Amino acid sequence: DIVMTQTPLSLSVTPGQPASISCKSSQSLLHSDGKTYLYWYLQKPGQPPQLLIYEASNRFSGVPDRFSGSGSGTDFTLKISRVEAEDVGVYYCMQSIQLPLTFGGGTKVEIK
Amino acid sequence: EVHLLESGGGLVQPGGSLRLSCAASGFTFTSYAMSWVRQAPGKGLEWVSTISASAGSTYYADSVKGRFTISRDNSKNTLYLQMNSLRAEDTAVYYCAKHSGSYWGVDYWGQGTLVTVSS
Repeated sequence: DIVMTQTPLSLSVTPGQPASISCKSSQSLLHSDGKTYLYWYLQKPGQPPQLLIYEASNRFSGVPDRFSGSGSGTDFTLKISRVEAEDVGVYYCMQSIQLPLTFGGGTKVEIK
Repeated sequence: EVHLLESGGGLVQPGGSLRLSCAASGFTFTSYAMSWVRQAPGKGLEWVSTISASAGSTYYADSVKGRFTISRDNSKNTLYLQMNSLRAEDTAVYYCAKHSGSYWGVDYWGQGTLVTVSS
């Protein structure tokens, strides 16, 4: 199974400031088709996860452009350019190149 | 708009059974693989099982293999999870998830249904 490791465990951010979350996979997520199968989700309190970024760097429909994903191979980053109050919750990365689907342990983002 | 609505959760004794359902709408159900993902209280996300669009292939986490069965009724746009021999460690919110069509990516999640296994 592919192990996904996220850091940090938690972040406390002042509104308007940037935030960055790292995700590392134990195997490359680059497929022979040229795509990188890394997804980012936000789980707001009391809600199911919602898709933010797919295939490492593509924003999902309706996701604000303050969210961006980057990285390749085994190292990935989710950046929020200017954190807003509605961005609080737990962020998860997930690899989708093979089953079993595996998730990072999550990064809890709070507002200062 | 994609909508996934789970039902069937509840309180069950260890060793008991439950059947979860997920009613899907807003997309062509027969074209997409579907999965169940669970989240124990205060914990992270854990993949449980996946079924292909045609129901020809099923996949299970080792922790549930032999106890859980995933199925789908494409005529009813409904996904199921039959859970037998339930254990305390199966206590979790169970989410129905739609795959995106791009390998195993998941693009939509249901609201979840809580399963509590306790005597």
